[in-house]
Amino acid sequence: ENVLTQSPGTLSLSPGERATLSCRASQSVSSNYLAWFQQKPGQAPRLLIYGASSRATGIPDRFSGSGSGTDFTLTISRLEPEDFAVYYCQQYGSSPYTFGQGTKLEIK
Amino acid sequence: QVQLVQSGAEVEKPGASVKVSCKASGYTFTNYGISWVRQAPGQRLEWVGWISAYNGITNYAQNFQGRVTMTTDTSTSTAYMELRSLRSDDTAVYYCAREQQLVGLQHWGQGTLVTVSS
Repeated sequence: ENVLTQSPGTLSLSPGERATLSCRASQSVSSNYLAWFQQKPGQAPRLLIYGASSRATGIPDRFSGSGSGTDFTLTISRLEPEDFAVYYCQQYGSSPYTFGQGTKLEIK
Repeated sequence: QVQLVQSGAEVEKPGASVKVSCKASGYTFTNYGISWVRQAPGQRLEWVGWISAYNGITNYAQNFQGRVTMTTDTSTSTAYMELRSLRSDDTAVYYCAREQQLVGLQHWGQGTLVTVSS
């Protein structure tokens, strides 16, 4: 299976700053089918980015995704208070779908 | 609007089975598949498997082969996931999610907590 490794494990930043989250796959992600999710405590994951770089419906343009092959990045250009959460990457290009272990974005 | 509403929390003993439901609304049920994903306490998300609501074809993660069965009832737009021979490490929140080609898992249910304890 395609193992996804996210870094860093925890990111401490202030509102207004830029956040850069990384996701590395053990094998090339087929068709760049790489998604990013945001999850807050007690809530279901929320799709932010699909196909590595396409924003899901209703997602603010401060969220952007990039990358291809095995290396992917989620960037949040200017952090808002509601952006502090856990972020997961997921590949859905090959079975079994797999998720990274998550990056916790916390307020500094 | 698309909604996936799951059944309530369950408490089961080791060795028992559990069946979680996921009722869809706001779209044509048979046009999309449903994936099931679980999250044990403090752990990453784990994909359990997928079912086509169109023809019932399934694809289960190897970790769950032989213990899981996914079905759909198109008359009620409901998907089901049954997990058998429960162990304590099956304790998790189980989510259903609508799967769309190219987009992936855009819409999720609210989650169902399954607790396995003697």
